[in-house]
Amino acid sequence: GAGVSQSPSNKVTEKGKDVELRCDPISGHTALYWYRQSLGQGLEFLIYFQGNSAPDKSGLPSDRFSAERTGGSVSTLTIQRTQQEDSAVYLCASSLVGGGYEQYFGPGTRLTVT
Amino acid sequence: SQQGEEDPQALSIQEGENATMNCSYKTSINNLQWYRQNSGRGLVHLILIRSNEREKHSGRLRVTLDTSKKSSSLLITASRAADTASYFCATDGGANSKLTFGKGITLSVRP
Repeated sequence: GAGVSQSPSNKVTEKGKDVELRCDPISGHTALYWYRQSLGQGLEFLIYFQGNSAPDKSGLPSDRFSAERTGGSVSTLTIQRTQQEDSAVYLCASSLVGGGYEQYFGPGTRLTVT
Repeated sequence: SQQGEEDPQALSIQEGENATMNCSYKTSINNLQWYRQNSGRGLVHLILIRSNEREKHSGRLRVTLDTSKKSSSLLITASRAADTASYFCATDGGANSKLTFGKGITLSVRP
């Protein structure tokens, strides 16, 4: 079946603009994760959704970052008033359930803030 | 913050040789996973080993876990040029199964 998909694959934006990144998880997977990967910080957890439970937002670096998951499927990560330090690859992953199972990653969105 | 620390940071071997990569972590885990990444994009899941397991095999991959030493190793046997990639260990602490990644090991397999 189809894997995790993300769009856009690349995004260049000006500092101060808002961006939206999209993730389509594997059908039937109830858990969805966002991570980001940057040269300075490596791979960092951002946010976790599990079914209808309240998301775990403990990894979001600032209140400029927010995420939604509509209908238990597609997720959107929004970054408001982007800064240069937001430049990174944003990775989405899904898992059958949240709890000790392998996570399947999408190809990522490379965000460049100029 | 990084939980896993891989060792070495970079490894270069000849095709056909075995590659051994090590990972150490700091806190208790539910499981430990190894991932591969090509060209800085999506990660590919390789193998998951649970905290009550000591060794696991998958094809040319062998993973060991020593929870008393908080360490794991990934062995790739009979390496191929296509194994050239970055390899990450990631620990799952169990609370919400968020993965905490190490900084990665760059493996180069020379043909």
